[in-house]
Amino acid sequence: SQQGEEDPQALSIQEGENATMNCSYKTSINNLQWYRQNSGRGLVHLILIRSNEREKHSGRLRVTLDTSKKSSSLLITASRAADTASYFCATDDDYKLSFGAGTTVTVRA
Amino acid sequence: DTEVTQTPKHLVMGMTNKKSLKCEQHMGHRAMYWYKQKAKKPPELMFVYSYEKLSINESVPSRFSPECPNSSLLNLHLHALQPEDSALYLCASSPYGSYEQYFGPGTRLTVT
Repeated sequence: SQQGEEDPQALSIQEGENATMNCSYKTSINNLQWYRQNSGRGLVHLILIRSNEREKHSGRLRVTLDTSKKSSSLLITASRAADTASYFCATDDDYKLSFGAGTTVTVRA
Repeated sequence: DTEVTQTPKHLVMGMTNKKSLKCEQHMGHRAMYWYKQKAKKPPELMFVYSYEKLSINESVPSRFSPECPNSSLLNLHLHALQPEDSALYLCASSPYGSYEQYFGPGTRLTVT
């Protein structure tokens, strides 16, 4: 079942700009993960943040987690055309992943 | 080998057909998963296998029958499907003690 909402649903930016997307979830979590999916293909794991962490970085990605607000954000800096994809947050509960609705990001050259 | 493979890439089947989807990983992962994804929607969990035993069935109709013959292989047997079952079927695996999942490219299924 879907855990929560993501916003915006869609985002269009110019190459080199930053992209920020938000995820809200409903129940308490162990971890929150972010995945990327290129058009109709499999998902790729981007980053996992634990419930006791507030911020995590991986390359051009920055993830924040606010458990009091049950929300997380993903920031992609200096976007590239190859970042065009759908991005999903997911909470895990004993190996079950529940995905948010996703944000579709289009990076214009 | 650090990938999950799925065959076939595309499958068209009639409502009376029987077909199978195959998923394989050689990363030594002990948990394997089937997801269903409709267009413009997030993936929805169908089944979880842990150490080759079915541990989670998300109330999936019996026309979908999973099988895990060994630790590297996961099948999804399909019988008497409905047109609304048309979707992208994704397989994933995860290592012991990790919540990070590795996904295959999916099988695009069309039921006519």
